[in-house]
Amino acid sequence: NAGVTQTPKFQVLKTGQSMTLQCAQDMNHEYMSWYRQDPGMGLRLIHYSVGAGITDQGEVPNGYNVSRSTTEDFPLRLLSAAPSQTSVYFCASSSTGVDEQYFGPGTRLTVT
Amino acid sequence: AQSVAQPEDQVNVAEGNPLTVKCTYSVSGNPYLFWYVQYPNRGLQFLLKYITGDNLVKGSYGFEAEFNKSQTSFHLKKPSALVSDSALYFCAVRPWELSFGAGTTVTVRA
Repeated sequence: NAGVTQTPKFQVLKTGQSMTLQCAQDMNHEYMSWYRQDPGMGLRLIHYSVGAGITDQGEVPNGYNVSRSTTEDFPLRLLSAAPSQTSVYFCASSSTGVDEQYFGPGTRLTVT
Repeated sequence: AQSVAQPEDQVNVAEGNPLTVKCTYSVSGNPYLFWYVQYPNRGLQFLLKYITGDNLVKGSYGFEAEFNKSQTSFHLKKPSALVSDSALYFCAVRPWELSFGAGTTVTVRA
């Protein structure tokens, strides 16, 4: 099993550009999440999904969209990048809403 | 709302000494508690969890954690720290959304 994979590993955007961060898991997990990690703030939940076709907002959803058309994939879209979105983004999955989550390697995004 | 607090930004210990990383939580209902470790420029790795049962939970790499319901704490412990344990440690609580503490940087000096 590859586990949770994320692409790209690094990305530089200009303010106003849009892009999609890809996340895939091969563990047949229903629950998937996106987090951003900023120094001194831990990880903050952006969006999550409890199954294909079902998504919901987390703590910091503004400026981001998600969709879940399949169990495996959970892409995160930045609509119009802003410098405040410079961060490291992690995707995670778990089989249920109470089990441990498995994390991808992260995407380091810089917005100039 | 659920939340986690890690009161120490940094913990410094000598190799071979006991290591403790503190965590307190707030949640309505039963807590599902987790510890993760993050090495530089890496993703988070799961260490251990408390769901129910014994208050002392054993996990990976010789780590263990003690659940204390009356003190709403879930401290991470290792009897004898190694230099390779130097990393960033996160406590987290569920159900559903995984709420993280701010993290504690552990430095183990040789």
